[in-house]
Amino acid sequence: GAGVSQSPRYKVAKRGQDVALRCDPISGHVSLFWYQQALGQGPEFLTYFQNEAQLDKSGLPSDRFFAERPEGSVSTLKIQRTQQEDSAVYLCASSLFPPAPRHEEQYFGPGTRLTVT
Amino acid sequence: GQNIDQPTEMTATEGAIVQINCTYQTSGFNGLFWYQQHAGEAPTFLSYNVLDGLEEKGRFSSFLSRSKGYSYLLLKELQMKDSASYLCAVRDSNYQLIWGAGTKLIIKP
Repeated sequence: GAGVSQSPRYKVAKRGQDVALRCDPISGHVSLFWYQQALGQGPEFLTYFQNEAQLDKSGLPSDRFFAERPEGSVSTLKIQRTQQEDSAVYLCASSLFPPAPRHEEQYFGPGTRLTVT
Repeated sequence: GQNIDQPTEMTATEGAIVQINCTYQTSGFNGLFWYQQHAGEAPTFLSYNVLDGLEEKGRFSSFLSRSKGYSYLLLKELQMKDSASYLCAVRDSNYQLIWGAGTKLIIKP
């Protein structure tokens, strides 16, 4: 399978627990994005990596959210001390090149549905 | 602020044509995308417009007017499998995608 994969697909956490969500982008893709999608809404940008560098983390909602991509391939989104408002689908996407004014589509993974109880 | 508006829900009949509109106000413009998202699945790319005019790809076409901040996605010969949400997204001056909330399209036999 050459697509973007994410694990786990579903995660139930008790309020206050820490969670780690994994994304395996398409091999060779330079850019990696994390999005948060609430039910019935479009994706909301969280953070962007170009290779191992986190170039934009302006969308992270609080300092409880942390993302890394240490070797420029697999990425992990960590949420500390989860709250009920963190319940959402977390989507990862990758693209071959950095964002630019050209047709550069993002390929999405299936997402991780996080439910905080 | 940045804003993308599209209808929440639309209903159409199998075999017919439907047009889904999207209006946007963003800080900068570097292209507009349409994605399809079936319930519980990942968004998949449909079309990209950066210049004014119509882009046609099979049963799907997308139109852009940058001066009006307006786009539409046209779906022809509707099939039941076209039942999904259709997301409009604009790439802003920072080259990040700003997404609309999506239009849920219901196809009836």
